[in-house]
Amino acid sequence: QKEVEQNSGPLSVPEGAIASLNCTYSDRGSQSFFWYRQYSGKSPELIMSIYSNGDKEDGRFTAQLNKASQYVSLLIRDSQPSDSATYLCAVEGGSGDKLTFGTGTRLAVRP
Amino acid sequence: DAGITQSPRHKVTETGTPVTLRCHQTENHRYMYWYRQDPGHGLRLIHYSYGVKDTDKGEVSDGYSVSRSKTEDFLLTLESATSSQTSVYFCAIRAGGETGELFFGEGSRLTVL
Repeated sequence: QKEVEQNSGPLSVPEGAIASLNCTYSDRGSQSFFWYRQYSGKSPELIMSIYSNGDKEDGRFTAQLNKASQYVSLLIRDSQPSDSATYLCAVEGGSGDKLTFGTGTRLAVRP
Repeated sequence: DAGITQSPRHKVTETGTPVTLRCHQTENHRYMYWYRQDPGHGLRLIHYSYGVKDTDKGEVSDGYSVSRSKTEDFLLTLESATSSQTSVYFCAIRAGGETGELFFGEGSRLTVL
């Protein structure tokens, strides 16, 4: 049973639109949640971390967490072609020490 | 830049040969991790370390061993490589104390023929 689920995509949005990426997780004790961006052939790069319910904004990115629904999302406003990448959701379980990753959602922003 | 260096970056080897991948960090972080990344599976944890000589298994540890004899180096060894171990291997360090944020090295692409 997968612990962190993401739609593999591709999610295609026009330039300037809002891209919405979603992730669900199974461990109710999870405390820490992360979004990584990975360009093809490159290593994952941390975009956002979120630890409490609600929204967290950083520039064009907003992470949203709902622990009751075991759901975390990432919104990208004013999407740019340079945002085209695979976005990985990562969850740290209640026991700590290690992150479990989803398989990622591929985002394509078309000019 | 989290100061992580992986070596080698690319390696082609034959089935049955031993392979060691090295991860070197310059910032004295306690936690280090080895992941592998394969299409359709995402990033999967192989082994991790929480201090010198302190290591633990991840979800896909079979066929792999690790060692950490000093803080800055975390070695991943495939004692007898198999074609199923063809993958991209990423080392990561955990920074920021209890926050759990991982920062990744550039990856090592291993092909086992």
